[in-house]
Amino acid sequence: GAVVSQHPSRVICKSGTSVKIECRSLDFQATTMFWYRQFPKQSLMLMATSNEGSKATYEQGVEKDKFLINHASLTLSTLTVTSAHPEDSSFYICSAHRGTTEAFFGQGTRLTVV
Amino acid sequence: AQSVAQPEDQVNVAEGNPLTVKCTYSVSGNPYLFWYVQYPNRGLQFLLKYITGDNLVKGSYGFEAEFNKSQTSFHLKKPSALVSDSALYFCAVRDDNFNKFYFGSGTKLNVKP
Repeated sequence: GAVVSQHPSRVICKSGTSVKIECRSLDFQATTMFWYRQFPKQSLMLMATSNEGSKATYEQGVEKDKFLINHASLTLSTLTVTSAHPEDSSFYICSAHRGTTEAFFGQGTRLTVV
Repeated sequence: AQSVAQPEDQVNVAEGNPLTVKCTYSVSGNPYLFWYVQYPNRGLQFLLKYITGDNLVKGSYGFEAEFNKSQTSFHLKKPSALVSDSALYFCAVRDDNFNKFYFGSGTKLNVKP
């Protein structure tokens, strides 16, 4: 089946620094990818839709200047958490769609800001 | 607006017994429904989906789900639970217009030996 690879799986950074998370579709092209955030024992919250070659679409309440999304190619989307703070600590998951129904998820990135 | 509800935070079953994880949905238009499983600190793994066709959908690892239009439900089932089935299960609906997924709150399944 299709594979979506997310890197890194775990990262610890200092408060005030920026962290980049990569999401790659390994065996298919994805014009659209999605970024989710998951708090402990909670569901996934959609943060933004990453569109190849154009600006990302952010969900209401998500700061676009804080969570920078770049979708430079058909197989790669990146999420950069800028000036990270402890409250940004969370589990971030990306997904890529193949065709109109299939969605494949990355393995997630555990971000801890200290 | 599309949404799904998972009324149970946790389901406990004994190994070998049948299991059911409940999901109800609310959609405008055709429902595209999915079940995913998540193990600790991992992404989501696809189990099964309903797009059209037979109401009983069979998926990975022996799981199945029944689409019930009159009750707007899409419950996940397995005839005989395994300890290794213990995980977090999410029901989801896909928005047909924007290709977004909306997830339920998740149900933690505990299968005890």
